[in-house]
Amino acid sequence: AQSVTQPDIHITVSEGASLELRCNYSYGATPYLFWYVQSPGQGLQLLLKYFSGDTLVQGIKGFEAEFKRSQSSFNLRKPSVHWSDAAEYFCAVSNMEYGNKLVFGAGTILRVKS
Amino acid sequence: GAGVSQSPSNKVTEKGKDVELRCDPISGHTALYWYRQSLGQGLEFLIYFQGNSAPDKSGLPSDRFSAERTGGSVSTLTIQRTQQEDSAVYLCASSLGLRSQETQYFGPGTRLLVL
Repeated sequence: AQSVTQPDIHITVSEGASLELRCNYSYGATPYLFWYVQSPGQGLQLLLKYFSGDTLVQGIKGFEAEFKRSQSSFNLRKPSVHWSDAAEYFCAVSNMEYGNKLVFGAGTILRVKS
Repeated sequence: GAGVSQSPSNKVTEKGKDVELRCDPISGHTALYWYRQSLGQGLEFLIYFQGNSAPDKSGLPSDRFSAERTGGSVSTLTIQRTQQEDSAVYLCASSLGLRSQETQYFGPGTRLLVL
């Protein structure tokens, strides 16, 4: 079965600092990978997704993620964090073999200090 | 255009009562999904519908949970004889089709509290 691990429950960074949120997946073949963001009281918004091709994926709001097959990782990065980036971030995986349901990690809560 | 909408936004009910949660997907989206977000279990899949195909109910936690989708559009998730552990945010999502790489667009959710 597919699974997703986000090892960091909380991360605090200073505004303007760089950010990396970790995500590891467990799946035999190459899955489809997603990062979603959830602001307080809001639904989930897609930041970026990876299916194939270039392993460095650009998303909205200045985020990017890199797929590393050898490490089964899909870490999310941003070079300079803004206070408005404070939210909860979810990594997710899907694949046709398991239907198209998204399997989510536990989420990482990002706090931004000024 | 309009996104996925869900109603009600919040629902408080007493243990043992039945509740219905509604989802209006994005117009033209043929796939519709229900997820549940709770403190103990995180975000978990419940059920999805694709066109006229039989739904995938593999994520429903018990037979108290059911869902239907009328006319290929609006969906209703019904929880019978609610229990306190059913308290959660119920999220609906839709996508253009059922391919895994298609983006699922999420609604704002219905926050259910069972007293």
